[in-house]
Amino acid sequence: SQQGEEDPQALSIQEGENATMNCSYKTSINNLQWYRQNSGRGLVHLILIRSNEREKHSGRLRVTLDTSKKSSSLLITASRAADTASYFCATTIQGAQKLVFGQGTRLTINP
Amino acid sequence: EAGVAQSPRYKIIEKRQSVAFWCNPISGHATLYWYQQILGQGPKLLIQFQNNGVVDDSQLPKDRFSAERLKGVDSTLKIQPAKLEDSAVYLCASSLRSGLSYEQYFGPGTRLTVT
Repeated sequence: SQQGEEDPQALSIQEGENATMNCSYKTSINNLQWYRQNSGRGLVHLILIRSNEREKHSGRLRVTLDTSKKSSSLLITASRAADTASYFCATTIQGAQKLVFGQGTRLTINP
Repeated sequence: EAGVAQSPRYKIIEKRQSVAFWCNPISGHATLYWYQQILGQGPKLLIQFQNNGVVDDSQLPKDRFSAERLKGVDSTLKIQPAKLEDSAVYLCASSLRSGLSYEQYFGPGTRLTVT
């Protein structure tokens, strides 16, 4: 079964707008990662946030983590057409070393 | 730095046939992973190697799937015999080490269609 569940499953916005995707998980984690997948570049790591961190930034990306609610969010600011992709959260469960991916959010940026 | 290489990129076979996928990780990466990604879903880990030893193969259907990494570098994943539900993209990834904070680098994947 999937550990992480992304919400929404699909999101369509205008170029320049901000996009927010959410991820909820079930069991305690060591860290949470976000990946992007598109046909051109495959699956690419975006950002990792540890369980003792609450917020992290990387360029136009902002990730938050709320371990009390077992949830994370990914914010992409000033979206571009090239951001069109599927976004996955992936968790490393405490006591295990493997990465468990969610179902993903399909993001479409309209010009 | 060269990325993770996989071949073939596409494969179409009939059910009950066998197929093999090859992966060459990034040079120096000790950990290698094989994932199965069914259309519309996230990748699911099949097997994880640390050098040439298996760390986790709990989700590998061992009656039909096998994988090896004999010299601790490149790896082969085999399916024999294939079923219709094996149609998916098979992704190979590598990381510097296994561990909680190491980023995984993914190859382009092999898209398998079983008819």
